[in-house]
Amino acid sequence: SSELTQDPIVSVALGQTVKITCQGDGLRNYYASWYQQKPGQAPVLVFYGEDNRPSGIPDRFSGSRSGTTASLTIAGTQAEDEADYFCGSRDSSGNHRIFGGGTKLTVL
Amino acid sequence: QVQLVQSGAEAKKPGSSVKVSCKASGGTFNSYAISWVRQAPGQGLEWMGAIIPIFGAANYAQRFQGRVTITADESTTTAYMELSSLRSEDTAVYYCARDPHIVGVIIDFYYGLDVWGQGTTVTVSS
Repeated sequence: SSELTQDPIVSVALGQTVKITCQGDGLRNYYASWYQQKPGQAPVLVFYGEDNRPSGIPDRFSGSRSGTTASLTIAGTQAEDEADYFCGSRDSSGNHRIFGGGTKLTVL
Repeated sequence: QVQLVQSGAEAKKPGSSVKVSCKASGGTFNSYAISWVRQAPGQGLEWMGAIIPIFGAANYAQRFQGRVTITADESTTTAYMELSSLRSEDTAVYYCARDPHIVGVIIDFYYGLDVWGQGTTVTVSS
């Protein structure tokens, strides 16, 4: 399958830890990348690969993978983390990028 | 630091074509790829294809094959995405983004899209 599935909406209390998941058969072979998008703005890469966080991204963002599920964990969630989060990976051919449908994270 | 600056908003009629530009500044244009991603209103991200400018060959998502053309001009460090036979469902924000790691003629998709343009709104309406 060349699809990535995300929960549409996830909520978290301020200061708590939240895990956003991305499910797809291809994730058994390929790592995911994660993007944060706030309203009216371009996406921002927040995590990719096995254990890579771009410069400037707070270390409360981390990623993991188990079987066909990739996860983005935000520890000590801040109000400014409220955004849409998209996972990305490769299709079954390995030659094209694909994205999940996105998760809207609400910080309560 | 590389920055990507895109051309302005476009309003198009169904059946016509649109060409969006993406100018890279602040770094070399010959060591990475440029991907194009679109986002329809209220929807998710959709990868359309990518090009490695120094080689010129593009790689397209299957659903856009035959309708999209991605090119690059090394002399002006500008990439282009042209979409033809426009329909209302093509109304979206179109982004260019840097694919930072290439191995020969292959894009290493292990790495995420690390620099994004500001987006270009394309509206298709009669």
